[in-house]
Amino acid sequence: DTEVTQTPKHLVMGMTNKKSLKCEQHMGHRAMYWYKQKAKKPPELMFVYSYEKLSINESVPSRFSPECPNSSLLNLHLHALQPEDSALYLCASSHLLTGREQFFGPGTRLTVL
Amino acid sequence: AQSVTQLDSQVPVFEEAPVELRCNYSSSVSVYLFWYVQYPNQGLQLLLKYLSGSTLVKGINGFEAEFNKSQTSFHLRKPSVHISDTAEYFCAGPAGGTSYGKLTFGQGTILTVHP
Repeated sequence: DTEVTQTPKHLVMGMTNKKSLKCEQHMGHRAMYWYKQKAKKPPELMFVYSYEKLSINESVPSRFSPECPNSSLLNLHLHALQPEDSALYLCASSHLLTGREQFFGPGTRLTVL
Repeated sequence: AQSVTQLDSQVPVFEEAPVELRCNYSSSVSVYLFWYVQYPNQGLQLLLKYLSGSTLVKGINGFEAEFNKSQTSFHLRKPSVHISDTAEYFCAGPAGGTSYGKLTFGQGTILTVHP
């Protein structure tokens, strides 16, 4: 299994909703990442987990809450989002936190109304 | 810290023509570089990578790139493009320093292949 999966593929939520994005990989990678990508822009790093511990938080607002329950799973909990949070959310993983290649999932297209 | 610059925001080309997408990097430490492709409404797919060794790197879908240390470049090339190569391409490298695990991306190049 050489892929990263993400669910759901699309998500529409209101500003008062609570929802979660899920990411899974079975490549034995010990580093996992959340990115946010706006249209026509490169991905922006949000969070990095290494060995299930939060390693990097790029000053992301607290309405985004990451969680890494085990080495294969990564969640992003969403609460009280704003319309400007609408974007493609990408999950990625890499063998270790060594700056080597990252493998990306297909993304979740989030729309906040 | 390393930075990556993609010199062209858009590259239009006709089918079966050759193409070059340009990427320059700046780094004072050992370098590794990647090219990713993103098709509409999809995630990023790794096209090829330079970690060490041979400076000519071959990737998927007939793409190749050459790591040039003297010119600090890592340009992506394909000798004959197809309509299906229409996508956005990102050059990326490690941010370096204490930003372990952080990739820095170029701004992207949209390749449009016309029939």
